Amino acid sequence: DADVTQTPRNRITKTGKRIMLECSQTKGHDRMYWYRQDPGLGLRLIYYSFDVKDINKGEISDGYSVSRQAQAKFSLSLESAIPNQTALYFCATSATGRDRGPYNEQFFGPGTRLTVL
Amino acid sequence: DQQVKQNSPSLSVQEGRISILNCDYTNSMFDYFLWYKKYPAEGPTFLISISSIKDKNEDGRFTVFLNKSAKHLSLHIVPSQPGDSAVYFCAASGFEETSGSRLTFGEGTQLTVNP
Repeated sequence: DADVTQTPRNRITKTGKRIMLECSQTKGHDRMYWYRQDPGLGLRLIYYSFDVKDINKGEISDGYSVSRQAQAKFSLSLESAIPNQTALYFCATSATGRDRGPYNEQFFGPGTRLTVL
Repeated sequence: DQQVKQNSPSLSVQEGRISILNCDYTNSMFDYFLWYKKYPAEGPTFLISISSIKDKNEDGRFTVFLNKSAKHLSLHIVPSQPGDSAVYFCAASGFEETSGSRLTFGEGTQLTVNP
């Protein structure tokens, strides 16, 4: 079974609709992240959370919100989707404390392909 | 402001030859560097990393070189195999106190290894 799962894997929606992307992990990690990937731009950080009570904006948080429902669950919402939010979205996790290596290695889910028409 | 830059969007090499992927960074606070590999329809997976106190790290066919003075790192794959065809992302991280374990990614390089 995958350690980091994302649902849905694909979603097509219309401008103005509210969309939620969900992420679950079984790795026991405290830290979770949401990225989007666009061609030629790489992976850009949207939001990140270091524990259930901690939420931080990344470099491109406008138009997005998140909820950390539990240690294992981190969801990303688009309150009113627009076409330039069409992208591939990835959730990732990383460890803390004694389990954390020096490289901040993050473990990624399989991604959600979102198309906003 | 692109702090991590991969200037080559694509690279094509013959099977058995060396693949060299390059990455430049601008933030002198970065101390750890990672390479991720991504196949279509999958998430990125960790490949190899290097600390700024080293200039080389090797893992099987994969070697990462770091030139801290030039703020440049490269990934060498020898010999290249068709299964290495993927998008490769360079990523950088600072100390916990400076970046809170966030990774900054480059744009990615599509490597194609031809049989």
